[in-house]
Amino acid sequence: GAVVSQHPSWVICKSGTSVKIECRSLDFQATTMFWYRQFPKQSLMLMATSNEGSKATYEQGVEKDKFLINHASLTLSTLTVTSAHPEDSSFYICSARIVGIPSHNEQFFGPGTRLTVL
Amino acid sequence: TQLLEQSPQFLSIQEGENLTVYCNSSSVFSSLQWYRQEPGEGPVLLVTVVTGGEVKKLKRLTFQFGDARKDSSLHITAAQPGDTGLYLCAGALGGNQFYFGTGTSLTVIP
Repeated sequence: GAVVSQHPSWVICKSGTSVKIECRSLDFQATTMFWYRQFPKQSLMLMATSNEGSKATYEQGVEKDKFLINHASLTLSTLTVTSAHPEDSSFYICSARIVGIPSHNEQFFGPGTRLTVL
Repeated sequence: TQLLEQSPQFLSIQEGENLTVYCNSSSVFSSLQWYRQEPGEGPVLLVTVVTGGEVKKLKRLTFQFGDARKDSSLHITAAQPGDTGLYLCAGALGGNQFYFGTGTSLTVIP
C-alpha cells in the first residue's frame, strides 16, 4: 500500500528556534502533499497544500512566513516552523496524493510529528 | 467555523451496542472520506464515497453519502472495544483541498 513517513516523529525545541519536519512518500510519487495541524482532542486543520515545483497554497489565517513549505521532489515535502513559540506546539500531520491514479482524491497520511516548544 | 460538523462530538457506549455518527455541511463535496485515528498516529482511511446516495459496507461499518452530497453517516453495528478511536469525515470540494470534520471521539466499554 501507499506509505507516507514523517521525520522526526517528535521534537522538543526552545522558543525562537526553527524546526524542520519532513514528509516522504515511500513507494509512490506525490504531486500534491498537504500539511495539517491538530490540537489535542480536536480535528485536523488544513494548513497548506504543497505542489511539487511550485509555491505552496496556504489556508486563510496561516502565516506563510512562519510555516515555510518546500516540495522539491515528487517524494519529499518539508515544513519549517520558523521562530517557534509555545503556541506552535501541536501535532503536525502530512498527507500525499498518488500521481496518475483516479482515486477520487484519496490521500494517505503520515504518522504525524509531535512538536513541543518550551 | 468548520466546513463539516460532526455529531456527536463524544460518544461512550457499551460493547455490543449500535451507533451512528453524522457528518453535515452546507457545501457540496465531490467526494467524502471517513477516517479513524488513534492517539499519536495519523488518520487511517476507512472508505471513500463519491456518488450521492451511495452506501458502502465494511464489515460492521456502514457508510452512506447523502443524495445531495452534503452529508454522510457512519453506522457501526455491535461495537467492539477495538472500534474505540477518533472518527473523522473529510470532504473534497473538487480541487486539491480536503477539509476535515470536527471529529467524533468514540469509546467502547468492554
